[in-house]
Amino acid sequence: ETGVTQTPRHLVMGMTNKKSLKCEQHLGHNAMYWYKQSAKKPLELMFVYNFKEQTENNSVPSRFSPECPNSSHLFLHLHTLQPEDSALYLCASSQEWRTSTDTQYFGPGTRLTVL
Amino acid sequence: GQQLNQSPQSMFIQEGEDVSMNCTSSSIFNTWLWYKQDPGEGPVLLIALYKAGELTSNGRLTAQFGITRKDSFLNISASIPSDVGIYFCAGRPGTYKYIFGTGTRLKVLA
Repeated sequence: ETGVTQTPRHLVMGMTNKKSLKCEQHLGHNAMYWYKQSAKKPLELMFVYNFKEQTENNSVPSRFSPECPNSSHLFLHLHTLQPEDSALYLCASSQEWRTSTDTQYFGPGTRLTVL
Repeated sequence: GQQLNQSPQSMFIQEGEDVSMNCTSSSIFNTWLWYKQDPGEGPVLLIALYKAGELTSNGRLTAQFGITRKDSFLNISASIPSDVGIYFCAGRPGTYKYIFGTGTRLKVLA
């Protein structure tokens, strides 16, 4: 109901695999985000795209590669991950990054397990 | 980095009781958001606050933007079993990225 969908909902991958997470928002927003949620830690912002341009990379390792082909779609390409990368990956969207009413709406997340 | 303290970390309450939780910051925030997250799901926005002193309700939920702009409060009245979950606050200084609290885990005893 939030207008932000994510696929897959669950993913198990080996350290040598390559996989991609997909996010789609149906809210007409211009900004999209990737967050990482690990147990007992606050949400960590990974990437921000505003009007399809990457405006923030929060010191994320290069084994995570985002892609934003348009304002409605966001991908996170994964390769050579480590077990400590196992977490819930959340996509969010908002009207516009760095505005006074930049309220973020989240998708249901992808639960990633790296073996 | 900036800290956002959310308390309590967890709480057990009886059905029908009122619940209060809060978040405090070491710096001034311009926006406060409150979310609820169920197991295996993403956070769902409950209430957004944009102005110091603002008091906003969403059904049985009421949130307030503290006058000092360094804190925010969420109250749930007459709790029911489906209120179970983790409640997060998120605050933002200026128009930069949000800082998230570590959550309050709420368990309601029927």
